[in-house]
Amino acid sequence: GAVVSQHPSWVICKSGTSVKIECRSLDFQATTMFWYRQFPKQSLMLMATSNEGSKATYEQGVEKDKFLINHASLTLSTLTVTSAHPEDSSFYICSARGISFPENNEQFFGPGTRLTVL
Amino acid sequence: AQKITQTQPGMFVQEKEAVTLDCTYDTSDQSYGLFWYKQPSSGEMIFLIYQGSYDEQNATEGRYSLNFQKARKSANLVISASQLGDSAMYFCAMRPGSSNTGKLIFGQGTTLQVKP
Repeated sequence: GAVVSQHPSWVICKSGTSVKIECRSLDFQATTMFWYRQFPKQSLMLMATSNEGSKATYEQGVEKDKFLINHASLTLSTLTVTSAHPEDSSFYICSARGISFPENNEQFFGPGTRLTVL
Repeated sequence: AQKITQTQPGMFVQEKEAVTLDCTYDTSDQSYGLFWYKQPSSGEMIFLIYQGSYDEQNATEGRYSLNFQKARKSANLVISASQLGDSAMYFCAMRPGSSNTGKLIFGQGTTLQVKP
């Protein structure tokens, strides 16, 4: 159990277009979802925390209007990269936290989405 | 400030030998959780082991053990009997107790290469 999926797994888009990435918890209700960004050979940087039905909390330095996060249901959160530019090219990973998960494994990670902006 | 530090960008180990990956953390919280994740080249994050700040015994999960030294604020990962499939990037992470969202703070990561 506790599977998180992401779609798409990879996407290539033109500069100036918007891209939406979906994160789904397949077999549990995710009260909280996290979005991370990772550059090659670097650490995961938390971008934002989203709770179902409320506005996302963005980390310092992350542009809210650039990275739109919606957590409309207990199983789905979306990240939209608006007006994407080449510097937005990165690996985006989501994770989800469910109700009553044991503290020793509270977050389950999606497989990631590789975004390339041309 | 909450921080995780991994000082080894890259490590090599001979197959079947043990290896220790270093992790130190900084927090003023009394309650916190420490995690280790493995990230192979495919990108998925694989949970390996967890240590709670109040756990008196070091955590173990199969070939993985966590050397928890609370006074030194270190949480090193020990992999015994290394296998070729252990080659990956390894991240130490902390869940601050003061965070009500359960967010994780990650270290810079260590790339482990297992030699045949």
